[in-house]
Amino acid sequence: AQTVTQSQPEMSVQEAETVTLSCTYDTSESNYYLFWYKQPPSRQMILVIRQEAYKQQNATENRFSVNFQKAAKSFSLKISDSQLGDTAMYFCAFMKQNNNDMRFGAGTRLTVKP
Amino acid sequence: NAGVMQNPRHLVRRRGQEARLRCSPMKGHSHVYWYRQLPEEGLKFMVYLQKENIIDESGMPKERFSAEFPKEGPSILRIQQVVRGDSAAYFCASSPRDLAGNEQFFGPGTRLTVL
Repeated sequence: AQTVTQSQPEMSVQEAETVTLSCTYDTSESNYYLFWYKQPPSRQMILVIRQEAYKQQNATENRFSVNFQKAAKSFSLKISDSQLGDTAMYFCAFMKQNNNDMRFGAGTRLTVKP
Repeated sequence: NAGVMQNPRHLVRRRGQEARLRCSPMKGHSHVYWYRQLPEEGLKFMVYLQKENIIDESGMPKERFSAEFPKEGPSILRIQQVVRGDSAAYFCASSPRDLAGNEQFFGPGTRLTVL
């Protein structure tokens, strides 16, 4: 079974600073997909970034980038130039290549301070 | 293009009653997923459906829970004889087709409270 671990229940960062959220996972699969979702107080789940395991290049979306280390089974999210609107729960998720259900970590609560 | 719609947003039931949660996927999406989120936890997969078919229900409790996605109308997650432990947020997601790694678009969730 696949497990996703987010070891930081809570983090905080000053506005405009950079923060990194960690995620590790356990799988025997060689091809899979990894996601970071953001859940603001509205509770809406919003996709932040997506990574295909067969791609060596780290995914980037504006201020959001990942550090994907396949051998270490690590998938951290870096948020640059943090903004107040980035305050939310962040969930790391794993999806097997031949399956469509996602396995989520327990989440990291990020607070951006002015 | 409207997003994934879920209703009701909040549902209160007494122990022993039935809860019906509805999900209308995004237009053009034929795949629906249900997840449950307990307080301070991540989402847990429950069931994956296509029109008129349950593809994977490995995450759904065997008793009291059922799901359907009829040819016409929304997907329904039904919980019979609710208990306090069923109190959670239930999220529905949809995707356009069965491609591996497809992004799932989430609805706003239904928060079920069992008194």
